Amino acid sequence: GGIITQTPKFLIGQEGQKLTLKCQQNFNHDTMYWYRQDSGKGLRLIYYSITENDLQKGDLSEGYDASREKKSSFSLTVTSAQKNEMAVFLCASRRQNTEVFFGKGTRLTVV
Amino acid sequence: GDSVTQTEGLVTLTEGLPVMLNCTYQTIYSNPFLFWYVQHLNESPRLLLKSFTDNKRTEHQGFHATLHKSSSSFHLQKSSAQLSDSALYYCAHQGGRALIFGTGTTVSVSP
Repeated sequence: GGIITQTPKFLIGQEGQKLTLKCQQNFNHDTMYWYRQDSGKGLRLIYYSITENDLQKGDLSEGYDASREKKSSFSLTVTSAQKNEMAVFLCASRRQNTEVFFGKGTRLTVV
Repeated sequence: GDSVTQTEGLVTLTEGLPVMLNCTYQTIYSNPFLFWYVQHLNESPRLLLKSFTDNKRTEHQGFHATLHKSSSSFHLQKSSAQLSDSALYYCAHQGGRALIFGTGTTVSVSP
């Protein structure tokens, strides 16, 4: 088995601040994802990466940057945090055409 | 682009009654790959069912679903709901390497 580790678990930022979320997986999976989870809006894809140094934009990529410098890690940056923003960011990984595994999430609050 | 539609935001029912959650999808791909994920409170989503075979029923943990390409549907069913089935259910479609989720259906089962 393997595990996906997301850090930090809780992130409090200030309006306008650049914030970085990190994700590590030891499944040796090729593809990694970042999703944003908001109540009533489901899981919306922000970025994904099919291999090291690859980046693909999802429908919600505006306002975010991502980086896949190693196969095992995938980071997400909120380029300018929006006031009163609250969401859970989920990282996931998979081999092609197999089950996606999720991390436990990073809960973001912007004050 | 590809999309997944779940029409029910909330389903409330009594234990022992049947449950059906609707899922339809739109895709440019001729061989769709559909999934159901379940997320219990304070947990991450995990795979419940998957299918890429037209008109073949797939089952797991008492739930079942059949992919119908003719109607672009992958509805989730269970004949008798249990209290432990209370959770958030996501339908998802794999288009290329991206995994696109619907908005989710919350199921609440009461005694």
